[in-house]
Amino acid sequence: KNEVEQSPQNLTAQEGEFITINCSYSVGISALHWLQQHPGGGIVSLFMLSSGKKKHGRLIATINIQEKHSSLHITASHPRDSAVYICAVNKTGNQFYFGTGTSLTVIP
Amino acid sequence: ETGVTQTPRHLVMGMTNKKSLKCEQHLGHNAMYWYKQSAKKPLELMFVYSLEERVENNSVPSRFSPECPNSSHLFLHLHTLQPEDSALYLCASSQGRITDTQYFGPGTRLTVL
Repeated sequence: KNEVEQSPQNLTAQEGEFITINCSYSVGISALHWLQQHPGGGIVSLFMLSSGKKKHGRLIATINIQEKHSSLHITASHPRDSAVYICAVNKTGNQFYFGTGTSLTVIP
Repeated sequence: ETGVTQTPRHLVMGMTNKKSLKCEQHLGHNAMYWYKQSAKKPLELMFVYSLEERVENNSVPSRFSPECPNSSHLFLHLHTLQPEDSALYLCASSQGRITDTQYFGPGTRLTVL
């Protein structure tokens, strides 16, 4: 069983829709990361969270440490948001676990 | 040039070949990472160099050998690879700690024949 589980695995949305991607983890962590990977492989780090909520443009990330759960929200989705979104957690020490990713397609 | 660069972007090699992947970061960071991304599998952290000290994932086979000559450069030496090693290999860097935001390179798409 993977230490990090993401849902859904695949998501198709209409342009303008509000999107939520969920991440649950089973280990104690010092930080959680949301990453975005575009076709071709390039990865961008979107957020690093250890508590609460962060917002950047149309992206919002939240984390509930007690429930071991994080969500990534995209408001007013756009076709350029189409990508794979990956949740990753740092366990204390140098251990780092990744989810399998959520493949998002936003249709015009 | 800025950010994290990787060369080559694509590599095809036979099982008996020896090759190296190169990563360079221009961000003044002190930690660099090698990741492997196979199709439909989670990202796998292979090696971490923090202030030139190496941390390994014990599940990585010895046919992968990292080298970090300084804080800006990271190599992954490959020898006698297997077809199942075909994957996207990603390099990343961060300020110093593994919990810091990581900046990724574009990756090297490796195919082992």
